[in-house]
Amino acid sequence: EAGVTQFPSHSVIEKGQTVTLRCDPISGHDNLYWYRRVMGKEIKFLLHFVKESKQDESGMPNNRFLAERTGGTYSTLKVQPAELEDSGVYFCASSPAKVGGTDTQYFGPGTRLTVL
Amino acid sequence: GEDVEQSLFLSVREGDSSVINCTYTDSSSTYLYWYKQEPGAGLQLLTYIFSNMDMKQDQRLTVLLNKKDKHLSLRIADTQTGDSAIYFCAERAFSGGYNKLIFGAGTRLAVHP
Repeated sequence: EAGVTQFPSHSVIEKGQTVTLRCDPISGHDNLYWYRRVMGKEIKFLLHFVKESKQDESGMPNNRFLAERTGGTYSTLKVQPAELEDSGVYFCASSPAKVGGTDTQYFGPGTRLTVL
Repeated sequence: GEDVEQSLFLSVREGDSSVINCTYTDSSSTYLYWYKQEPGAGLQLLTYIFSNMDMKQDQRLTVLLNKKDKHLSLRIADTQTGDSAIYFCAERAFSGGYNKLIFGAGTRLAVHP
């Protein structure tokens, strides 16, 4: 079974440009999460989809970030316009369960975003 | 608020035991996790412990949980060079009927001969 995949693995853009990150969760997983690790700090929660609905977007930094999950399959995270402080590694994770059990989140390899 | 703290760096000799420590703040956390990130790779779930347990052992890994002190540790026995990685502690926060993970900054484990 394929794991969580993310594209691209690395993106280098200039300040003010737009970048779109993509995440393909494990097939059948309703829950999809975005996290970010900036400058070697902690990994921070950005938002959570349940199918195509945004369940929790409390971690989104500001309105320059837009996440979508049309059709409840893959998700995109767009940063427009990108700023220097947006540099970091963006992780996507998915999990199958709503509540109860371990609800283990399986992570992708991450997209390293560098804003110059 | 929710917060997870870890020491940033640990260096051990090959064959020794490694102990990585973590403290968390949310006493209602039901699950606590250890993830491993090898260079150039994503986050791999190593192990987890349920909050009603004090200890969990899985081959070379031993997780100890002290709920009173909100302290979690990961012990790796007979540490090998392949164990060199960043280890993240995470607690599961329950919000609005769903879960999200609160991570620490990660402990970089360096294993030397």
